Amino acid sequence: KQEVTQIPAALSVPEGENLVLNCSFTDSAIYNLQWFRQDPGKGLTSLLLIQSSQREQTSGRLNASLDKSSGRSTLYIAASQPGDSATYLCAVTGGSQGNLIFGKGTKLSVKP
Amino acid sequence: EAEVAQSPRYKITEKSQAVAFWCDPISGHATLYWYRQILGQGPELLVQFQDESVVDDSQLPKDRFSAERLKGVDSTLKIQPAELGDSAMYLCASSSRWDSSYNEQFFGPGTRLTVL
Repeated sequence: KQEVTQIPAALSVPEGENLVLNCSFTDSAIYNLQWFRQDPGKGLTSLLLIQSSQREQTSGRLNASLDKSSGRSTLYIAASQPGDSATYLCAVTGGSQGNLIFGKGTKLSVKP
Repeated sequence: EAEVAQSPRYKITEKSQAVAFWCDPISGHATLYWYRQILGQGPELLVQFQDESVVDDSQLPKDRFSAERLKGVDSTLKIQPAELGDSAMYLCASSSRWDSSYNEQFFGPGTRLTVL
C-alpha cells in the first residue's frame, strides 16, 4: 500500500529565506507526483506536476525534483514571501486507477 | 480560466439528516474524483468516475454514502444519514484522463460539512 510522508509537519522562516519541503513515498511505481498549495479552509491549488519520467519541474520561484528510485521529492521555494504561507501537500498517483495518495502536508509560515 | 465548481461551500446539519454536495468539473474532463479531507490530514479518495461509470469506490462507506454522475458531466455526492464523524471538507477534482503520466488533477473550492 502506497504511503506518503511529508517532513517537516510545520516550518517557520523569515521572509527572503530559501527553503526545502520534503516528501517521501514507499512505492516507486507511480504515474506522476503533484505538489499542491492549500490555504486555510480552501481547496487545493496545483503548483507543479512531475511525470514519472522527469527529474524536475520549475514554475517561477518554485522548483520540484523527483527521485523515483529512492522514493523522494523536494519542493524548493526561493526567496520566500509572507504570501507563501500555506499548507503544502505532496501527492502521488497510486492504485490501479490513477487516484492521488496524499501526505499530511507541511504548514509553512513566512514571517515578515 | 476553467475551474471546478462546487456547491454549497458550507453546510451545517444535524446528525441523522441527509446532505448532498454538487460538483461541476472542468469542461471536457472525463475523470471526476470525490475526496474527503479531515482537518490536519491529506485528502483521501471516496469515489472516482470515468465518464458516467464508477471505477473506484472501494473507500466509499456505501451504507450511508452514494455518488452519481448520470450524464458523465456533473456529479452529486449524498450522505444519509449524516454522522458526527462525517464532519470534514469534501473536495471534488477532475482530470482529462486517469491513465496518463500527465494526469494533472484540478480541485474545486470544497464543501465544508459540519455535523452537529
